[in-house]
Amino acid sequence: GDSVTQMEGPVTLSEEAFLTINCTYTATGYPSLFWYVQYPGEGLQLLLKATKADDKGSNKGFEATYRKETTSFHLEKGSVQVSDSAVYFCALSKGGGSYIPTFGRGTSLIVHP
Amino acid sequence: GAVVSQHPSRVICKSGTSVKIECRSLDFQATTMFWYRQFPKQSLMLMATSNEGSKATYEQGVEKDKFLINHASLTLSTLTVTSAHPEDSSFYICSAPRQSGGNEQFFGPGTRLTVL
Repeated sequence: GDSVTQMEGPVTLSEEAFLTINCTYTATGYPSLFWYVQYPGEGLQLLLKATKADDKGSNKGFEATYRKETTSFHLEKGSVQVSDSAVYFCALSKGGGSYIPTFGRGTSLIVHP
Repeated sequence: GAVVSQHPSRVICKSGTSVKIECRSLDFQATTMFWYRQFPKQSLMLMATSNEGSKATYEQGVEKDKFLINHASLTLSTLTVTSAHPEDSSFYICSAPRQSGGNEQFFGPGTRLTVL
């Protein structure tokens, strides 16, 4: 079945450091790929998405590129802030009437001043 | 953008009581909604798919008599935790998919259930 694998956390960085959170997936067909962010005590929010190969999703300084050849969707940000501290979930979803998403286990990011 | 609300945001109850959690799509219709459970520092566990006008589809290992789901309308799904016990304490999150182009999920803010 479909699966999403994320690097284990927590990832601990100093403010203004470069961030990479790795995500790889296994799926049949052509899924859409997503990054969601969960701040403490809250639900998940969509951070960015890409719906086809070579698409780049971007939002709030975060970027991720849909790489079909490596089945990856790594999340990057050039300069993190303390306010970016949260849990980040990589996910995939396929259409065709099936909307059930598959989530990675989440990666906790801690940014220190 | 689309918004999903949940109510209540936090509930504390005694063991043996039942608790109802509501999930509403505020500005779009959702024929399908999902219910998740999240343990501390862990990922989301899909519990069930709520289908408007038909029975919910439960994931393996989830007791359907314990976690009653009713999708009463195109904007409302409810999850009732029956005869709650301390091990049911968790963070419950619902989501509804945008059923066009991309299938992104819109999540509710979550409900923290504590069973004493």
